[in-house]
Amino acid sequence: EPEVTQTPSHQVTQMGQEVILRCVPISNHLYFYWYRQILGQKVEFLVSFYNNEISEKSEIFDDQFSVERPDGSNFTLKIRSTKLEDSAMYFCASSSRLAGIYNEQFFGPGTRLTVL
Amino acid sequence: KNEVEQSPQNLTAQEGEFITINCSYSVGISALHWLQQHPGGGIVSLFMLSSGKKKHGRLIATINIQEKHSSLHITASHPRDSAVYICAASNYGGSQGNLIFGKGTKLSVKP
Repeated sequence: EPEVTQTPSHQVTQMGQEVILRCVPISNHLYFYWYRQILGQKVEFLVSFYNNEISEKSEIFDDQFSVERPDGSNFTLKIRSTKLEDSAMYFCASSSRLAGIYNEQFFGPGTRLTVL
Repeated sequence: KNEVEQSPQNLTAQEGEFITINCSYSVGISALHWLQQHPGGGIVSLFMLSSGKKKHGRLIATINIQEKHSSLHITASHPRDSAVYICAASNYGGSQGNLIFGKGTKLSVKP
């Protein structure tokens, strides 16, 4: 069964460093998403991506964040200068869309980011 | 702004019990999702529904659009059902289906 994969599973970084979180969505999916979950809190939407551009982004997704689909398979989230409060689990998700109907989203296993 | 509320926050049940988790949302939605999150953190989609009722094995999800309310039921609960169950809403308004999440219900099923 196809699945969304994410690497690395755990990333530890120093405050101020850049990190890139990687995701490989399901191959025939067209919509891609990043979410984050700070420990003990609910999952929050960061950004959605379609047709090689951002469709929508939340208030959390400020200038320190960027997303890219550098090739036909990878979807990346970059944090330019990490802050302590960026420590969280980051989930990638993808979905297909048929005839204007939203389809379920498939989630990756997550990348736990720890900023020291 | 849509808000998604779940209850209860925590739920402990004995194996075999029938379980209900409730979800309410504040504005119109395009779809309501039920997700399962295991202790390791991974999230699995259980259901996506915009009307009526769906069933998969021992899991049943219902939605009442007029009342802006959805329920997830687990019949004959088992310890392996122990997880966090999350309700999430897809908004209308041109967004590409990004989800707004509830805080989750932590379910523990005792043998």
